[in-house]
Amino acid sequence: GENVEQHPSTLSVQEGDSAVIKCTYSDSASNYFPWYKQELGKGPQLIIDIRSNVGEKKDQRIAVTLNKTAKHFSLHITETQPEDSAVYFCAATVANTGNQFYFGTGTSLTVIP
Amino acid sequence: ETGVTQTPRHLVMGMTNKKSLKCEQHLGHNAMYWYKQSAKKPLELMFVYNFKEQTENNSVPSRFSPECPNSSHLFLHLHTLQPEDSALYLCASSQDGGLAGDFQETQYFGPGTRLLVL
Repeated sequence: GENVEQHPSTLSVQEGDSAVIKCTYSDSASNYFPWYKQELGKGPQLIIDIRSNVGEKKDQRIAVTLNKTAKHFSLHITETQPEDSAVYFCAATVANTGNQFYFGTGTSLTVIP
Repeated sequence: ETGVTQTPRHLVMGMTNKKSLKCEQHLGHNAMYWYKQSAKKPLELMFVYNFKEQTENNSVPSRFSPECPNSSHLFLHLHTLQPEDSALYLCASSQDGGLAGDFQETQYFGPGTRLLVL
């Protein structure tokens, strides 16, 4: 089955700096890659996603890039703010498998004011 | 908020108790999921329901019993749990279960039930 690895497990950045979180996946058939943000005491919230037919997607300060050849995708947060502090999860899923999402182990991001 | 609610938010139970977790989605979705979230581990998919029919059961012990009476409600019945079952239990929903077409549907999560088994 699919195996998703996520790095780093913890990340601290100064407010205003950029943060990058990377994930790799093993199954070349995976075609949908969502990113979730989980704040303390809450469930994961979708922040951005990308499908395999595009290489990059941006939404204000958040962007995701996908390299299908290398089987990795990354989350980029620019101009970080304290409210960006949370745990971020990547996921990958394979078409027509009943929506089985494979999640990474999460990255705890701390933005230092 | 995502439109997926879960109750209770916190639950403490003994190993001999029987309790139920409830999930409700207000998004008009047809697929619902139960996940287990433990520290330092990826989210573990437990059960999937598509149009009220169970389509996935990822080798979950029988002490966890799901129920989906309709597309908007999902329950997880718990009995004779073990301390290692303590975790955050998350419910999610999506438009459908991704069985048709080439693209998967985004899953929306509830806030979870923090379960402690003593």
